[in-house]
Amino acid sequence: KQEVTQIPAALSVPEGENLVLNCSFTDSAIYNLQWFRQDPGKGLTSLLLIQSSQREQTSGRLNASLDKSSGRSTLYIAASQPGDSATYLCAVTNAGKSTFGDGTTLTVKP
Amino acid sequence: EAGVAQSPRYKIIEKRQSVAFWCNPISGHATLYWYQQILGQGPKLLIQFQNNGVVDDSQLPKDRFSAERLKGVDSTLKIQPAKLEDSAVYLCASNPTPPTKRGASITGELFFGEGSRLTVL
Repeated sequence: KQEVTQIPAALSVPEGENLVLNCSFTDSAIYNLQWFRQDPGKGLTSLLLIQSSQREQTSGRLNASLDKSSGRSTLYIAASQPGDSATYLCAVTNAGKSTFGDGTTLTVKP
Repeated sequence: EAGVAQSPRYKIIEKRQSVAFWCNPISGHATLYWYQQILGQGPKLLIQFQNNGVVDDSQLPKDRFSAERLKGVDSTLKIQPAKLEDSAVYLCASNPTPPTKRGASITGELFFGEGSRLTVL
């Protein structure tokens, strides 16, 4: 059974700082890994999707990496802004099922 | 392109009452999912449809939850009777990936709706 862990559960940083969010999973036989952002009271917005054959994906200030052998993914956010404050979740897909972590709640202070 | 539509956004009911949620996925998306998200946790899969057939409902509490996807487009999720622990956000998601020849779905990118927040008093 796939288990997905995101540590830390919460993170607070000053504006402008670069930061890394972590996602680890137990079963490395994955199809893809997806990072989402969730604002309070909202649904999940897809940020980046990494297929199992890829090692990283980039979108603007975001860069996601994938290391299947170690069961880890990281989401790097450059030059953080207060508008980046949200909960970030990762989801790992294998055997047609997606398993989510519980997320990391990020607060970027002005 | 219109996103995944869900309604109602909010619902407050007494325990033992019933409630229904509706979802209209992105046009052309074959796969539809219902997730339950309890405050502070990640979404947990309740049921997965491929067109109008059920692929996985192993985590659906079938004594009180039911879901259908008639005509392979929109879907409804019903809870009857509701319990206090059903208070959560119910998320609908879809993706365009068609099933493989073996009938199993390989999930591509997931697209979520805004969710329906249920409070059971």
